[in-house]
Amino acid sequence: KAGVTQTPRYLIKTRGQQVTLSCSPISGHRSVSWYQQTPGQGLQFLFEYFSETQRNKGNFPGRFSGRQFSNSRSEMNVSTLELGDSALYLCASSLFGQETQYFGPGTRLLVL
Amino acid sequence: ELKVEQNPLFLSMQEGKNYTIYCNYSTTSDRLYWYRQDPGKSLESLFVLLSNGAVKQEGRLMASLDTKARLSTLHITAAVHDLSATYFCAVDMGNTPLVFGKGTRLSVIA
Repeated sequence: KAGVTQTPRYLIKTRGQQVTLSCSPISGHRSVSWYQQTPGQGLQFLFEYFSETQRNKGNFPGRFSGRQFSNSRSEMNVSTLELGDSALYLCASSLFGQETQYFGPGTRLLVL
Repeated sequence: ELKVEQNPLFLSMQEGKNYTIYCNYSTTSDRLYWYRQDPGKSLESLFVLLSNGAVKQEGRLMASLDTKARLSTLHITAAVHDLSATYFCAVDMGNTPLVFGKGTRLSVIA
């Protein structure tokens, strides 16, 4: 079974731009969660989607948004990028959201 | 608000030695996970612990859970260099997002 895939793997943007990251979960998994990982703050939860509905949301500004499609693939968008948004963005999938989450390789975003 | 604390945050240990990483959490939990992350890589699931007294072992790693003390331990036996990585515990209260500890960066030296 293929694992969680994320695209792109690396991204360089400048302040003020926007970015869209994509995540394809393991086949059959319906829950997708997004996390931001930085050296200072560690792993922080962004949001979780299940069956195209946002089920949980972390404490991030409205510039961070996401969605999930009918095939369970998910995207997250960050608008008006700030330097502090530089991070590794990890996507994780699970069957229904209450079991072990399997993480993708991440997208490393650098904002200049 | 659920808080998860790991200690130590940094651990340098000699090959062949034993050591334990601790994970304390602040409220009742449904389950606890241990993950491993290699530098520049993603998180790999190691263990999920579901009930009080649960113990799981894989190779040189053994994880246990004491829900009354709100404590999980990850014990490393006879460390080898390949175990060098960052280890995270994460707590799930059910229907809420996973909350991760800050991670323990383990370095095994000869």
